[in-house]
Amino acid sequence: AQSVAQPEDQVNVAEGNPLTVKCTYSVSGNPYLFWYVQYPNRGLQFLLKYITGDNLVKGSYGFEAEFNKSQTSFHLKKPSALVSDSALYFCAVRDINYGQNFVFGPGTRLSVLP
Amino acid sequence: DGGITQSPKYLFRKEGQNVTLSCEQNLNHDAMYWYRQDPGQGLRLIYYSQIVNDFQKGDIAEGYSVSREKKESFPLTVTSAQKNPTAFYLCASSIDGGSWQPQHFGDGTRLSIL
Repeated sequence: AQSVAQPEDQVNVAEGNPLTVKCTYSVSGNPYLFWYVQYPNRGLQFLLKYITGDNLVKGSYGFEAEFNKSQTSFHLKKPSALVSDSALYFCAVRDINYGQNFVFGPGTRLSVLP
Repeated sequence: DGGITQSPKYLFRKEGQNVTLSCEQNLNHDAMYWYRQDPGQGLRLIYYSQIVNDFQKGDIAEGYSVSREKKESFPLTVTSAQKNPTAFYLCASSIDGGSWQPQHFGDGTRLSIL
C-alpha cells in the first residue's frame, strides 16, 4: 500500500531564510510525487511533480523539491521564504503500479515570519 | 478561464436530510474526484470517475453517492447515512487516468450540521 508522511505539523521560518518542508513516502513500485499548496478556504494548487529524470525538480513560485530514492524522500525547498508563502502544504504520491488513487500526506503548515 | 467550480461554498444539513454538492469543470478532463478534508488528516478519497457513466468507490465511500452523466459534471450527494458529514469537500479533475498528470482542484464546499 502507498503512504505519505509529513513529519512536521508546523514549520516556522523567518522571511528571507531558506525553507524546507519534509515528505517521505512508501510505495511498492516507482512513485510519482507531487507537492500542492492550500491557502485558507481554497482548493489545492499544484506546485511541482517528480516523474523521472533529474532528482531536483523546479516548480511554481520559486519552489523546488529533491527526490531521494534511497531515503524515499521528496522534500520541498525554497532558497528565500516570503510571508506570502505561509500556507498549508501537501505532499502526494501515486504508485504507477497501484492504479488511480493519489495518496496525500496530512499536510504541513508553513508560517513565514516577517 | 478554465477551471473547476464547486457550489455552494457553504452548506448546512439538517438531521435526516440528503444534500448535493455540485462540481463542474470546463477543462475537458476525463477524470474527476471527490475528497473529504478534515483537520490534520489530509485528503481522503470518497469517489472517483475516469469516464462518463462510470465511477469507483474510494477509501471512505460509505454514506455518499455520485453520478457522472456528463463529462463536465460530477455531483456528490451526502446522504443521511453519513453520520459525521461536517468537513471541507474538494472536487478535483485530471486530464485522464494517467498516473503522472497532476490534479486540478476546485475551491471546496464547507458542509456543517444544523
